[in-house]
Amino acid sequence: KAGVTQTPRYLIKTRGQQVTLSCSPISGHRSVSWYQQTPGQGLQFLFEYFSETQRNKGNFPGRFSGRQFSNSRSEMNVSTLELGDSALYLCASSLDVGTTNYGYTFGSGTRLTVV
Amino acid sequence: AQSVTQLDSHVSVSEGTPVLLRCNYSSSYSPSLFWYVQHPNKGLQLLLKYTSAATLVKGINGFEAEFKKSETSFHLTKPSAHMSDAAEYFCVVTTGRDDKIIFGKGTRLHILP
Repeated sequence: KAGVTQTPRYLIKTRGQQVTLSCSPISGHRSVSWYQQTPGQGLQFLFEYFSETQRNKGNFPGRFSGRQFSNSRSEMNVSTLELGDSALYLCASSLDVGTTNYGYTFGSGTRLTVV
Repeated sequence: AQSVTQLDSHVSVSEGTPVLLRCNYSSSYSPSLFWYVQHPNKGLQLLLKYTSAATLVKGINGFEAEFKKSETSFHLTKPSAHMSDAAEYFCVVTTGRDDKIIFGKGTRLHILP
């Protein structure tokens, strides 16, 4: 079966712009979570969605937002981009909310560069 | 509060020799622990997970990890390294209370020919 699909793979944006990233989970998976990966901070949890509701949120400013659609696909939006937002953004899907029993399957990520 | 510490940022081993990647955790509640591997320009792949069943967990590609509550450790091992094991490895902790996921900083494994 198809894995987790993230689009686009690469993106270059200018400071102050906004960006929307997309994630299609594995068929049947209802939970989608987002992570930011940078060399300095490592992997940081952004938020998790389940059944179109945000279930968990990391410590990121309000410029970072997301949503989940009825087909479990998710989008992440970053407004007013800053240079520090340059990162690999990873999406992961799971059968159910949380990782305790199921673990996550990750996509290959979207590499965002802010110039 | 929960946290996870990967004790080595880089580990180098020769092909065919054992691999040990160290991970210590801190958690106020019974943790679930995971190891993920990330190859260059790829997403993360689950190697193995501990969720309060057997303390010795076997994963894919010959990796295994042992949960030691007294030492708050979950070290990853493999008896014989292969060139294809060169990658970055992440130790991850969550708890059932809020399921927030905490990643370690990662250990980059180098395999010497």
